[in-house]
Amino acid sequence: SSGLTQDPAVSVALGQTVRITCQGASLRNYFATWYQQKSGRAPILVVYGKNNRPSGIPDRFSGATTGDTASLTITGAQAEDEAHYYCNSRDTSGNHVLFGGGTLLTVL
Amino acid sequence: QVQLVDSGGGVVQPGGSLRLSCVMSGFTLRSFGMHWVRQAPGKGLEWLAFLQHDGTNQYYADSVKGRFTISRDTSKNTLYLQMNSLRLEDTAVYFCAKEKVGSVSILDHWGQGTLVSVAS
Repeated sequence: SSGLTQDPAVSVALGQTVRITCQGASLRNYFATWYQQKSGRAPILVVYGKNNRPSGIPDRFSGATTGDTASLTITGAQAEDEAHYYCNSRDTSGNHVLFGGGTLLTVL
Repeated sequence: QVQLVDSGGGVVQPGGSLRLSCVMSGFTLRSFGMHWVRQAPGKGLEWLAFLQHDGTNQYYADSVKGRFTISRDTSKNTLYLQMNSLRLEDTAVYFCAKEKVGSVSILDHWGQGTLVSVAS
C-alpha cells in the first residue's frame, strides 16, 4: 500500500499512557505529522518533525518513528484528549501529501 | 495572529461548479505553500491540492486532478479552489491549510471549513 495505516479506534484509562501508530512506506523517508480533531472542529497540529510540539500543546504529547511506523504517545491521558487523531506525511514521490485514516481515542 | 477563513460552500447539482475562497490574515501568502483538504461526512481527512509558496507549481490528488484548480491572489491574500464537474462523492467539508514554512506536509493553521453538498 502507498498510504498510511492507522488503527480505527483505541481506548485508554484516564491518567494512563496510550500510543497511537501510523504505518507506511513514506515514513522511511519523511517524518509523520500528527493532528487532533474534535467533533465538528478543524484539525489542530499537535506533533511534527522528529518530536516537536507547537506552542500551547501540552508536553504529554510526544512523537517517535521506527522504520516505517510513527507513533504518537500521550503520557497521562486527560478527558479533553478524547478526539480523532490523524497522521500525515509526504508520499514517496515527495510531491503529494498523504493522510492516515484516523484513530478515534476514547478516554475511559 | 494567523487566521484563515474559508467560504464559498453551498449546494450544487452534479456536474456543476463552485469556487471556494480562503482569506488569510496575520501572514503573507507569498511566503507559504497552501493546501486544500476535505472531509466527507463521517470520514477521515483527504488531501486534495497544494500550491507552492512561490506560486509556480500545483499538485493534486488523483481524485480531483483535471477537475479542481488551486490558485491564489496575493493582492487579496486569498487562496481559491475552483471545483468543476462536481460529483456526489465530492460532498464534504473543505478546509484550507497553511504549511509550516519550508515543510510541505506540516499544516500548522487551518480554516474553519466550508460545506459543499453535491445533490440532485
